Amino acid sequence: DTGVSQNPRHKITKRGQNVTFRCDPISEHNRLYWYRQTLGQGPEFLTYFQNEAQLEKSRLLSDRFSAERPKGSFSTLEIQRTEQGDSAMYLCASSPWTGVNEQYFGPGTRLTVT
Amino acid sequence: GDSVTQMEGPVTLSEEAFLTINCTYTATGYPSLFWYVQYPGEGLQLLLKATKADDKGSNKGFEATYRKETTSFHLEKGSVQVSDSAVYFCALSDTGNQFYFGTGTSLTVIP
Repeated sequence: DTGVSQNPRHKITKRGQNVTFRCDPISEHNRLYWYRQTLGQGPEFLTYFQNEAQLEKSRLLSDRFSAERPKGSFSTLEIQRTEQGDSAMYLCASSPWTGVNEQYFGPGTRLTVT
Repeated sequence: GDSVTQMEGPVTLSEEAFLTINCTYTATGYPSLFWYVQYPGEGLQLLLKATKADDKGSNKGFEATYRKETTSFHLEKGSVQVSDSAVYFCALSDTGNQFYFGTGTSLTVIP
């Protein structure tokens, strides 16, 4: 296994457009997380999946954001009607189900909204 | 709610100097604590962790001790190298459902 992968690596879109990102976790990992990171800041938690169930979602997360993990494997994060403030690095991480365990991060998708 | 406060950078040190990066936390439960590192052009990777009070995490010459009495998890290394130049993030998680990260501390080690 080569680790967590994310696609695309970069996305440039115009304000108002919808974008979708994909994350493929490490195959045996049940847990999957999405984060947003802006320059000079740490990762900000967005949402968490245990297998296909979305168990946690940040209270700060706009309704324009939605995430799915339909078969408990890969996950998608969609942002509708993008705004310039959505420009950030979107990170995906996965971890096995053994209590509180370390996460393995993907390389991220850099979104630029013009 | 849970949170992490991390020493602000950037930090610049000469090779072989002693490193301390401070991290304090606020949590309602008994979280696990982590240090992640992000090398230039790479993704975040786990450096070390501690799951209960008085545990010491260590890796690659770095150490951090989980201090419940001071709610701290300071990162230390006795002799830094140029290759340690990176951004370091302190993080916590109580249940594993949600992780809280600090803002990161940039370290530059000069020869």
